[in-house]
Amino acid sequence: DQQVKQNSPSLSVQEGRISILNCDYTNSMFDYFLWYKKYPAEGPTFLISISSIKDKNEDGRFTVFLNKSAKHLSLHIVPSQPGDSAVYFCAAVVNNDMRFGAGTRLTVKP
Amino acid sequence: KAGVTQTPRYLIKTRGQQVTLSCSPISGHRSVSWYQQTPGQGLQFLFEYFSETQRNKGNFPGRFSGRQFSNSRSEMNVSTLELGDSALYLCASSLSPFRGLNTEAFFGQGTRLTVV
Repeated sequence: DQQVKQNSPSLSVQEGRISILNCDYTNSMFDYFLWYKKYPAEGPTFLISISSIKDKNEDGRFTVFLNKSAKHLSLHIVPSQPGDSAVYFCAAVVNNDMRFGAGTRLTVKP
Repeated sequence: KAGVTQTPRYLIKTRGQQVTLSCSPISGHRSVSWYQQTPGQGLQFLFEYFSETQRNKGNFPGRFSGRQFSNSRSEMNVSTLELGDSALYLCASSLSPFRGLNTEAFFGQGTRLTVV
């Protein structure tokens, strides 16, 4: 039961441009959402989160948007940098249980 | 402050064998969760332990089991290994299972298990 879906396995963006990573979910009861970033040979690291009562949260170059009616979440990275190249996981929490999407591999080209 | 430590980093086993993976959480963290990462499937939740008790379990067969010790260190065991068990197994620790926006989980580097 894939409650959190990242339908794009990969994304390639030019340095300096915007990267938009998408995530869809099926459970309207999720309390909040998170994005994790994972480099090869490392564990995922927390990037940014958003409560289900908000529609936007911004932290530096990273902004997460939440569209509850569409059950859709997106992460915007502006401007994208080569060091942002990694796998990005969307996660959602309900009743203290965290569920992850399949991940999107972002490649930022110099 | 040391991070989450998982041992071993790499492991090769043959079908039918069993394996035990270890996770030492961040000092002071009492909640440990285990995830399986495979290409295309993302992070699949295995189980979570808090204060030596399994608090939640994902949809994995009974061959997958775990436990947590009084010092919060956790082990997971997979018996009768199958080829499809080949994956990266990640452990995450957090202060408690009662998640809020500021109690995110911290992951270890994972154990890469290959079943041949």
